[in-house]
Amino acid sequence: GAVVSQHPSRVICKSGTSVKIECRSLDFQATTMFWYRQFPKQSLMLMATSNEGSKATYEQGVEKDKFLINHASLTLSTLTVTSAHPEDSSFYICSARVGGAAGELFFGEGSRLTVL
Amino acid sequence: DAKTTQPPSMDCAEGRAANLPCNHSTISGNEYVYWYRQIHSQGPQYIIHGLKNNETNEMASLIITEDRKSSTLILPHATLRDTAVYYCIVRVASGYGQNFVFGPGTRLSVLP
Repeated sequence: GAVVSQHPSRVICKSGTSVKIECRSLDFQATTMFWYRQFPKQSLMLMATSNEGSKATYEQGVEKDKFLINHASLTLSTLTVTSAHPEDSSFYICSARVGGAAGELFFGEGSRLTVL
Repeated sequence: DAKTTQPPSMDCAEGRAANLPCNHSTISGNEYVYWYRQIHSQGPQYIIHGLKNNETNEMASLIITEDRKSSTLILPHATLRDTAVYYCIVRVASGYGQNFVFGPGTRLSVLP
């Protein structure tokens, strides 16, 4: 099946610094990618929809100035967590849709962010 | 998108079939049923999806009732590596911009 790759898989940073997470579609082009966040023992929550060549669409309650999304090409979307704080520690997962109208969504491996 | 209801947890003996139910009584005619699973600390993995007919692939079978208000994911011979959280999602087919909404899922434990 289609492959979506994330990097880094794990990152630890100090409070106040910024962290960038990359999401790549390896064998297909993705005009739309989705970014999810997952806290321990909870389900995935959509943060934003990343659109190639245009601004991302953020879900209610997600600060667009804190979670910067850039989708500059058909195979790469990036999520930058700016001025990270310990409460931003979470598992961040990206995904992209493949195929026709009923196409399934493929997910990256996830990136675990720990803010000290 | 229609809301789904799944049992929070299930156990299954290794080598036996695992049958995971999902209720989606408010599903619309143009909504597909998708199943994903998430093994600990990994991204969700696509399993199978269907609209009306039963579907089978190398991983599992999907049985959808005639009225489409419920479905069952069947793992024919569960192994320890099938231990994961299984998510049932119903979603309209159209529009690349539409995301998948994840509920709490069913935590399947395959026991030796």
